[in-house]
Amino acid sequence: SQELEQSPQSLIVQEGKNLTINCTSSKTLYGLYWYKQKYGEGLIFLMMLQKGGEEKSHEKITAKLDEKKQQSSLHITASQPSHAGIYLCGANPIETDSNYQLIWGAGTKLIIKP
Amino acid sequence: NAGVTQTPKFQVLKTGQSMTLQCAQDMNHEYMSWYRQDPGMGLRLIHYSVGAGITDQGEVPNGYNVSRSTTEDFPLRLLSAAPSQTSVYFCASGYSVGELFFGEGSRLTVL
Repeated sequence: SQELEQSPQSLIVQEGKNLTINCTSSKTLYGLYWYKQKYGEGLIFLMMLQKGGEEKSHEKITAKLDEKKQQSSLHITASQPSHAGIYLCGANPIETDSNYQLIWGAGTKLIIKP
Repeated sequence: NAGVTQTPKFQVLKTGQSMTLQCAQDMNHEYMSWYRQDPGMGLRLIHYSVGAGITDQGEVPNGYNVSRSTTEDFPLRLLSAAPSQTSVYFCASGYSVGELFFGEGSRLTVL
């Protein structure tokens, strides 16, 4: 079962437009991690969020974690072709059998139209 | 700057065959893990290790074995391949469980 729900599953955006990807958990999270995967390649770590209400930015990508630590959003401003790929969220819930196991969303496939 | 190296990148097996996926990292990370990625299912943890000599099962360990004799290496063994093990396999390592460095993946097809 998918304990982290990502939405949308896929997204086609005109170059230059803004977009948002969401990641929602039914459990309170200890930490939330965003990764990007280019087609046919491994995942690249983007950002980690641990505190309720925390917001981090890297270049044109901003990620936020809500106060309850159950939902995160990833926002891309003025999208570029280099932003295309699959974005995945991973997390470790506070209530978990192991601190060493992440749960993952199914991913959001982002396509940028020139 | 090698990072996490996985071999082979592609492999085709027949049902019942065994094989080992190799994973090596040069960043002195204690934590290493193996995931499989299937369409629409995200990443699922197979096995992980928090240091040399210590391994544990993840979400989907059946049909796979691991060992960790050194900090650098974490091989994944398929004991008797089945078509359900057709997948893309990723090895990842890190100083912590959340900030991981991933290999480029190994695409396995079991006929």
